[in-house]
Amino acid sequence: TQLLEQSPQFLSIQEGENLTVYCNSSSVFSSLQWYRQEPGEGPVLLVTVVTGGEVKKLKRLTFQFGDARKDSSLHITAAQTGDTGLYLCAGNTGGFKTIFGAGTRLFVKA
Amino acid sequence: EAGVAQSPRYKIIEKRQSVAFWCNPISGHATLYWYQQILGQGPKLLIQFQNNGVVDDSQLPKDRFSAERLKGVDSTLKIQPAKLEDSAVYLCASSPGLYVATDTQYFGPGTRLTVL
Repeated sequence: TQLLEQSPQFLSIQEGENLTVYCNSSSVFSSLQWYRQEPGEGPVLLVTVVTGGEVKKLKRLTFQFGDARKDSSLHITAAQTGDTGLYLCAGNTGGFKTIFGAGTRLFVKA
Repeated sequence: EAGVAQSPRYKIIEKRQSVAFWCNPISGHATLYWYQQILGQGPKLLIQFQNNGVVDDSQLPKDRFSAERLKGVDSTLKIQPAKLEDSAVYLCASSPGLYVATDTQYFGPGTRLTVL
């Protein structure tokens, strides 16, 4: 069974702090995506990574794909209240289906 | 460019009743997805269409769920009869071409279903 495990499940931090969330699997993924979902809305794509060891930056967000393409991390620098939301990783193992993790729910307090 | 539209936004029904959800994807998008997102979980793919053909419906409970995408555009998802465990947000998404893993999936706002 393909399974994406995300940790932590929930994270509550103060504005200005840094944080890292993780996405792990025993399967090798051909590509991995990170989405953010806000309450009452659908997920919105943040980034796609395809190469083992790849690092992508999006303003204060840094995404890394593991060398073996089995894991990924999302690091946020100087979190802001606007970063609050559910962060989902989603991976593809080469077929026609994208598998989503359960997500990390982030709450950034002012 | 208009996004993915879904209706209704909310629906409350009693168990054993029927319900239908509608999705209008982004114009020209070939691939359409229906996901079920139970509270505290990530989206689970129910069915995936490429144009009007089904690519994957392996996790669709076919004894009670059905979906169609007529003319390769709009889609409806039906549950008949509903069970308590069907309470969830039903998300529709679309992507531009035939399925490519690196494509962006554009999601609608979802329909929140409560089964009493």
